[in-house]
Amino acid sequence: EVQLVQSGAEEKKPGESLKISCKGSGYIFTSYWIGWVRQMPGKGLEWLGIIFPGDSETRYSPSFQGQVTMSVDKSISTAYVQWSSLRASDTAMYYCARQGFYGDHEADYWGQGTLVTVSS
Amino acid sequence: QSVLTQPPSVSAAPGQKVTISCSGTSSNIGNNYVSWYQHLPGTAPKLLIYDNNKRPSGIPDRFSGSKSGTSATLGITGLQTGDEADYYCGTWDSSLSAYVFGTGTKVTVL
Repeated sequence: EVQLVQSGAEEKKPGESLKISCKGSGYIFTSYWIGWVRQMPGKGLEWLGIIFPGDSETRYSPSFQGQVTMSVDKSISTAYVQWSSLRASDTAMYYCARQGFYGDHEADYWGQGTLVTVSS
Repeated sequence: QSVLTQPPSVSAAPGQKVTISCSGTSSNIGNNYVSWYQHLPGTAPKLLIYDNNKRPSGIPDRFSGSKSGTSATLGITGLQTGDEADYYCGTWDSSLSAYVFGTGTKVTVL
């Protein structure tokens, strides 16, 4: 069974750093892209970017380029997204998703989400 | 703001049909495959349709997708209370080199 399990909720202060994770299982982790999606409170879905675990190639949305950094540790089938200096506007639910299984960019399996709250 | 436009809400009685439109441009829908997602509050989004009109295993045929030019449509027949959710279209945008989601549509079962 394909599963993406994300790390737990985080509460941080503005200016702090953060790294959240997404562990894949039940499939060949290095063969499919992992994408990250943000949902701010009361808002829609926004795509941050994707990373290919096989070679760590990354593609960022222009809206998030320079704002987040994606990485992967394929030895433990885990993808990460990190912030070096959080802002209150980073408060959101963040989802990871497997993308490209059917050959395009569709996201067929999703993690349960990680709630990030940034407040002073 | 999203480059794909959806109606904010649609509604119908149980058993009826709803359609949700997703309008884009030649940079996205016009030249790329469209997917559709169902998102119930507090849960992970679920893929309903990929490649414009294909259903993953386990998705009932009450859900259907189509595309024409720079627009796509999701249809839901035999509406059930469990279908109350937010629905998003998604596709690659070749100009942005990014995956984009629609603005989202809330489906209400009357």
